[in-house]
Amino acid sequence: GAVVSQHPSRVICKSGTSVKIECRSLDFQATTMFWYRQFPKQSLMLMATSNEGSKATYEQGVEKDKFLINHASLTLSTLTVTSAHPEDSSFYICSARNLGTSYNSPLHFGNGTRLTVT
Amino acid sequence: DAKTTQPNSMESNEEEPVHLPCNHSTISGTDYIHWYRQLPSQGPEYVIHGLTSNVNNRMASLAIAEDRKSSTLILHRATLRDAAVYYCILRDSQNLKNAGGTSYGKLTFGQGTILTVHP
Repeated sequence: GAVVSQHPSRVICKSGTSVKIECRSLDFQATTMFWYRQFPKQSLMLMATSNEGSKATYEQGVEKDKFLINHASLTLSTLTVTSAHPEDSSFYICSARNLGTSYNSPLHFGNGTRLTVT
Repeated sequence: DAKTTQPNSMESNEEEPVHLPCNHSTISGTDYIHWYRQLPSQGPEYVIHGLTSNVNNRMASLAIAEDRKSSTLILHRATLRDAAVYYCILRDSQNLKNAGGTSYGKLTFGQGTILTVHP
């Protein structure tokens, strides 16, 4: 149980285009989902917290107009990288906590999306 | 968030036990100790967590020092599939309850320990 699915797993896009990444909790509901970015040989860096039915909370230094987050239901959050540039190429990972569990319960992670901007 | 310190890398042989250390000298009384691991090209995977007492599950054991300033993740018999980056993370249970649904529950990742398992 507690599966988080990310789609697509890999995407290549041209500079200037936008890319949407989906994060779905398949067998549980999540009011909060987290979006991370990971560059090669580095750790995960939290970009933003996605809250169902309200605005996302962005970490310092992350441009909210560039990384649009929508959390329209208890099982789906999307991250759209707008006007992508080569420096946005990275591994994007989402995670979610099961709404029906305690506050300290583990987070469940998707398998990530490898974005390459050419 | 309180900080953790882990060795950059460790090596082990297959079927031998592995002890992965983590120092967290500034841990607060409400911080839980969480361990996650990340296999190559995958998202992180939950391993184990604890507060004060040692914990065991099917994946690993967590030994927590009496003063809670350090902990050790124990893999009892390493396999090649255990080769991953292991992250020790402190998670403040008070903020989890009080932050009212903005960023509560987030995990802040450090650099972790790269575990190499030799056949």
